[in-house]
Amino acid sequence: EVQLLESGGGLVQPGGSLRLSCAASGFTFSTYDMSWVRQAPGKGLEWVSTISGSGDRTYHADSVKGRFTISRDNSKNTLYLQMNSLRAEDTAVYYCAKRALYYFDHWGQGTLVTVSS
Amino acid sequence: EIVLTQSPATLSLSPGERATLSCRASQSVSSYLAWYQQKPGQAPRLLIYDASNRATGIPARFSGSGSGTDFTLTISSLEPEDFAVYYCQQRTNWPSFGGGTKVEIK
Repeated sequence: EVQLLESGGGLVQPGGSLRLSCAASGFTFSTYDMSWVRQAPGKGLEWVSTISGSGDRTYHADSVKGRFTISRDNSKNTLYLQMNSLRAEDTAVYYCAKRALYYFDHWGQGTLVTVSS
Repeated sequence: EIVLTQSPATLSLSPGERATLSCRASQSVSSYLAWYQQKPGQAPRLLIYDASNRATGIPARFSGSGSGTDFTLTISSLEPEDFAVYYCQQRTNWPSFGGGTKVEIK
């Protein structure tokens, strides 16, 4: 059974940093692209970042480019999202998602990031 | 950037009724469209991919159709557990999602 467990969310001040983690199990982690998708309170879904299975290719939405960095450690079956220069509009639940056929076929339960002074 | 517009925003129906949800793309996405279901407090769940293929474990009452710019998700007979928010997503360029359709109990 595929399991994705996010952690690292919390309250941070504007301009601050946070690192999210996603522990994966139940599938061969290194063979799948992985992504982060966020959802602001009461709003819809927004793709944030994607990383290839080997980790050599990364992609970020324009809204986070230059501030967020996606990475992975295949030896630990773990996905990361380093978030710097956080803004109020980054407040959201951040989901880790496994990609298959360019869609998101499994999702974690999400971790809440709140950016506020 | 491809914009997906979902309609209606809210659909009020009774159990047993048929639900028809629409997703329109600002430019052609071929058949590269998926549908997700999200219940309150839960993560989204993949229902349909490539416009008409049901994901693993998805009941046959869910079906998808369309290509190009116009897509439809149909729930043939609503079960109590189907009342939720539904999102479409395209994968042609950077992934983007529609704004969602809430299917609520009438």
